[in-house]
Amino acid sequence: QVQLVQSGAEVKKPGASVKVSCKASGYTFTNHYIHWVRQAPGQGLEWMGIINPNSGSTAYAQKLQGRVTMTGDTSSSTVYMELSSLRSEDTAVYYCAREKVPGTPFYYMDVWGKGTTVTVSS
Amino acid sequence: DIVMTQSPDSLAVSLGERATINCKSSQSVLYSSNNKNYLAWYQQKPGQPPKLLIYWASTRESGVPDRFSGSGSGTDFTLTISSLQAEDVAVYCCQQYYTTPITFGQGTRLEIK
Repeated sequence: QVQLVQSGAEVKKPGASVKVSCKASGYTFTNHYIHWVRQAPGQGLEWMGIINPNSGSTAYAQKLQGRVTMTGDTSSSTVYMELSSLRSEDTAVYYCAREKVPGTPFYYMDVWGKGTTVTVSS
Repeated sequence: DIVMTQSPDSLAVSLGERATINCKSSQSVLYSSNNKNYLAWYQQKPGQPPKLLIYWASTRESGVPDRFSGSGSGTDFTLTISSLQAEDVAVYCCQQYYTTPITFGQGTRLEIK
């Protein structure tokens, strides 16, 4: 079945970086863009950006520009999201999610990973 | 950025009754060239990721029960659950994909009365 499997929870100190992985299976990896969305405790969803696993092209939320990097590895059907210069406000559950419409970005998300909890604390 | 505002923040409805959740966008998400509203709805249960329910404002995702329906156009949208079931207890949120950045509503918590 179609699924996205994310890496495990992380605890980081302020100023550090975190890299979360998202491994896709059950479909043609290069056909669908992957979004990253985060959710701070008790808060709503925040879109972070998107990656085209085929070309590696990315688009990021302006708020995170300069701190977020999304990459992909077609050989392992895995995408990665790295966030640097972490601060307490980055404490959240980070989700990867598949763009439903093949070959198009910026639409809606039909398959989600279970989420990776990132805690930033000194 | 387009701001999505949902109302109410929380809602309690009796089993078998209708639940209505509203979503308002700060600008129209109707694309005139194809007459489509770039709006989706998600359901999120505690400890789970969001689940896609509705896209294009009114198209139900495969496998979603037909008691869920979406309506509206332009800036005002509604998610309706026609007959509330116990398993529908969740947070519901809307999402616009008319322009980047993609933005979500703050969520509406739906409980059983």
